[in-house]
Amino acid sequence: QQPVQSPQAVILREGEDAVINCSSSKALYSVHWYRQKHGEAPVFLMILLKGGEQKGHEKISASFNEKKQQSSLYLTASQLSYSGTYFCGTESGSGTYKYIFGTGTRLKVLA
Amino acid sequence: GAVVSQHPSWVICKSGTSVKIECRSLDFQATTMFWYRQFPKQSLMLMATSNEGSKATYEQGVEKDKFLINHASLTLSTLTVTSAHPEDSSFYICSARKTSGSNTGELFFGEGSRLTVL
Repeated sequence: QQPVQSPQAVILREGEDAVINCSSSKALYSVHWYRQKHGEAPVFLMILLKGGEQKGHEKISASFNEKKQQSSLYLTASQLSYSGTYFCGTESGSGTYKYIFGTGTRLKVLA
Repeated sequence: GAVVSQHPSWVICKSGTSVKIECRSLDFQATTMFWYRQFPKQSLMLMATSNEGSKATYEQGVEKDKFLINHASLTLSTLTVTSAHPEDSSFYICSARKTSGSNTGELFFGEGSRLTVL
């Protein structure tokens, strides 16, 4: 079942913050975050495995709630290069090696 | 980081012809690769899981006779779109998962192949 992301799209000014949410109706084994530029393949940002985990990558960080049904991606002091479409992705279970991606969130950062 | 190469980057073909897309993991072995299709402004939809040395596992609604997948070696998976029609036009992306070494669990993507069927 495909995770649902919110918002669907967001426009920011440079330096502003954004939060992108990823929700599933059932517990996830893991959650991955990717950013995709137009016409390009997605680029891996980070992976979270444990409930309650928080992880950071430069000014981009993410959390995974205790029930492992929701993850949020935090973009702080956004830069123009952050523009793109963000996807959460998940494995349906340990060892299944089946990756499903969320509905996507389009982010546009304006100067 | 690990590299996955996909070829061709874009292809235009006539309706009724077949097109083969290759996906190679250049610096690691991938027993499992994934094929996705992405329509404009939509998410990546998993088409099938390609397993080295065995049959691919197709997602519901994906015709296995139309989208032939072969994973003959630990570094190469191919997707053949047979008897292509205009509705098959899409962006096809492969990915491979590292199962050992650094960044285990991370999914590495090919550059994508844009197929246009006339």
